[in-house]
Parts: sequence; structure tokens; C-alpha cells
Amino acid sequence: AQSVTQLGSHVSVSEGALVLLRCNYSSSVPPYLFWYVQYPNQGLQLLLKYTSAATLVKGINGFEAEFKKSETSFHLTKPSAHMSDAAEYFCAVSVTGGGNKLTFGTGTQLKVEL
Amino acid sequence: DTAVSQTPKYLVTQMGNDKSIKCEQNLGHDTMYWYKQDSKKFLKIMFSYNNKELIINETVPNRFSPKSPDKAHLNLHINSLELGDSAVYFCASSPIAGGSTDTQYFGPGTRLTVL
Repeated sequence: AQSVTQLGSHVSVSEGALVLLRCNYSSSVPPYLFWYVQYPNQGLQLLLKYTSAATLVKGINGFEAEFKKSETSFHLTKPSAHMSDAAEYFCAVSVTGGGNKLTFGTGTQLKVEL
Repeated sequence: DTAVSQTPKYLVTQMGNDKSIKCEQNLGHDTMYWYKQDSKKFLKIMFSYNNKELIINETVPNRFSPKSPDKAHLNLHINSLELGDSAVYFCASSPIAGGSTDTQYFGPGTRLTVL
């Protein structure tokens, strides 16, 4: 079975600072990896996904993530945080033959301070 | 025009009652899902349906019964509600059955509170 671990349930950055949210995965077969964002009282929205093409994936709102097989990681970054980035971020994994079942990490709450 | 909609948005009820949550998607997708998000924001899949056929049925009490009258609708009926059922329930849809790289589109959620 596949799983993801998100290190840090809460991350706080200053506006304009680098955002780094960590995700490590475990899978016995090649994984597909996703980052979703959840704004307060809303559903989840896809930020970006890795589908075995380019290892550096660019998403919406200036976010990007790099798939590193040797480190089993898929960390999410943004060069400069904006107040509007404050939200809950979820890393998720799926695999071929899994029926498009997404297995989510426990989430990271991002706080952006002035 | 909302892509994935759920009703109601909030549901407060007593233990032992039966309730339903409705979900509709207008994206023309083949696959729909129900997820449960607990108080610690952990998200776990409950069910998925492809064109009215049950595909994924996770370890969920049989008090929970999904029903898909057509591929645009997936409703969740819960019998004999318990305190532990309090959570936010999300409906989602994706284009293709078994499409492991597909983006899932989520509804706004239904916050269920069992008293």
C-alpha cells in the first residue's frame, strides 16, 4: 500500500519569504503525486501533479514541486509567499491500478505573516 | 455554474437519526467519490463510483450507503447516526474510470454534526 508523510503540521512564513512544504511518499510501484490546497471552509483544489513526465512540475499560483525518486520526496515550494497563500495543503499519492484512489497525507497548515 | 455541488452545506442532527447528503457534478465526469475529513483534517476515501457502478468501498460501517441514480449524481445515506460520524464529507469527481493521474474536483463539503 502507498502512503505519504507530510512533515510539519503547521508552517509559518513571512510574506515574501520562501514557502517549503515537505512531502515524502512510500510506494512499491511508481507513484503519481499530487498537491491539493484547501482554503477555509472550502473544498480541495488541485495545485499541481506529477504523472511521470517532467520531474519538476509547475502549478497554479506560482507553486512548483520536484519529484525526487532517490529521496522519495515531492516537496512543494513557492519563492515568495503571499497572504492569500494561507491555507491547508495536502499531499496525495495514487498508483496505476488503484482505481484512482487518492491517499492523502495529514496536511500542513500554512500561515503567512506580515 | 458550480462544477461539483453538495447539499446541504451544514447538517445538525441527533444520534440515531438517518440522514442523506446529495452530490451532483455537471462536468460530464465518469467517476465520483465520497471522502470523510475528520476534526484533525485527515481526509480518507470512503467510496467511488464509475457510471453508477461501485468501484472502491473502503472499510466503512455498513450504516453508510452510497447511491448513484446516474453518473452525475452520488448520494450518501447514513443510518443510525453516531457521534463519531461528525465530520466534513466531501464529494469529488474525475473524468475517467481508473484514471490514476486524473485530477479530482471537489465539492464544497457538508459539515455533519451529530449531537
